[in-house]
Amino acid sequence: SQQGEEDPQALSIQEGENATMNCSYKTSINNLQWYRQNSGRGLVHLILIRSNEREKHSGRLRVTLDTSKKSSSLLITASRAADTASYFCATGPPGGGADGLTFGKGTHLIIQP
Amino acid sequence: NAGVMQNPRHLVRRRGQEARLRCSPMKGHSHVYWYRQLPEEGLKFMVYLQKENIIDESGMPKERFSAEFPKEGPSILRIQQVVRGDSAAYFCASSPPTGAWGNIQYFGAGTRLSVL
Repeated sequence: SQQGEEDPQALSIQEGENATMNCSYKTSINNLQWYRQNSGRGLVHLILIRSNEREKHSGRLRVTLDTSKKSSSLLITASRAADTASYFCATGPPGGGADGLTFGKGTHLIIQP
Repeated sequence: NAGVMQNPRHLVRRRGQEARLRCSPMKGHSHVYWYRQLPEEGLKFMVYLQKENIIDESGMPKERFSAEFPKEGPSILRIQQVVRGDSAAYFCASSPPTGAWGNIQYFGAGTRLSVL
């Protein structure tokens, strides 16, 4: 089955800097999503990018998708302490529709004040 | 509109006992998903259900694990004769009927199962 792999596994930056996380996957996808998980909590959906889109913005978030390289990146600009969390990419089934998502192991982001 | 509700938040069981995890989806959502998360790992898909139907249980162990989503009431993930390896966080997610570009899933806070 397709598998998202995030890179780096852990990232520590100063508040105000930009944070970039990458995700690679193995098979064709219909969409790719990014989720955030604060320690001990459930996942919160951040952004969904469709396979026919190359870039998408939401507030301080910017996501890119390169289907030829089977990779995506998540950029958080002007980071804040509250952005400290684990970030996961997730892929859905190739045909679209509803089904379980396949998650990577995540990038643990620490924002130092 | 309440989010996805899971209970209990924490569950402690001894080896050989049964664990029952409950999930109430968001209002208007007809799709329920269960995932398992081990420490420092991502979520692993277990099962996808709609009302009274199991749609995809490819990620669920064949033995000891079962799931249901009855016409009335919450979805239940049931683990019989628990073993220490079942210790994990179990997350439920729900989504509305999906469009052509896939579904955004809304997650509960999870149930942390500890098997002694």
